[in-house]
Amino acid sequence: AQSVAQPEDQVNVAEGNPLTVKCTYSVSGNPYLFWYVQYPNRGLQFLLKYITGDNLVKGSYGFEAEFNKSQTSFHLKKPSALVSDSALYFCAAAMNRDDKIIFGKGTRLHILP
Amino acid sequence: EAGVVQSPRYKIIEKKQPVAFWCNPISGHNTLYWYLQNLGQGPELLIRYENEEAVDDSQLPKDRFSAERLKGVDSTLKIQPAELGDSAVYLCASSSMDGDYNEQFFGPGTRLTVL
Repeated sequence: AQSVAQPEDQVNVAEGNPLTVKCTYSVSGNPYLFWYVQYPNRGLQFLLKYITGDNLVKGSYGFEAEFNKSQTSFHLKKPSALVSDSALYFCAAAMNRDDKIIFGKGTRLHILP
Repeated sequence: EAGVVQSPRYKIIEKKQPVAFWCNPISGHNTLYWYLQNLGQGPELLIRYENEEAVDDSQLPKDRFSAERLKGVDSTLKIQPAELGDSAVYLCASSSMDGDYNEQFFGPGTRLTVL
């Protein structure tokens, strides 16, 4: 069965430091991979996606993610964290363009001033 | 451009009562999704519509849940009767079929509390 794992419930990072939010997936074939962010009382917002091409994908708000096929990972990164990045982050995957998206359970990111 | 609109934002009901949620997708988006999000979990798909047609409802508990999208625009999700375990956030999302992947746009959700 397809699945997405986010091994950390919470990640704490000092403002200005680089951040990484981890994600691994178990999806058949060549996966479509996504990151979404959820702020309090707001819907999920799309950050970035990987479908094909360059393994390093750049997205909104300075975030990027690196696709690693051998490790079946798609970690979210940012070189310098902001306090405003504090939110709940979801990794997601799909088998193909028309397949349903499977979400991980989410990682709460705390950026400390 | 207006985003996905959901109402109500919050709903508190007693168990065994019916409840309905409404969603207005982004204009022009022909695909509409209903998700269930339990506390501490990611969203789980309940049903997906392509225009008026429900193309994936395999995860919808059909004994108590129902959904409709009569004119291919707005959608309603209903629970009857509600159970304590139905307490969760119900998310609506929409997408168009343009491009290489149908990026989903989410509404703010309806938080349901069943007492």
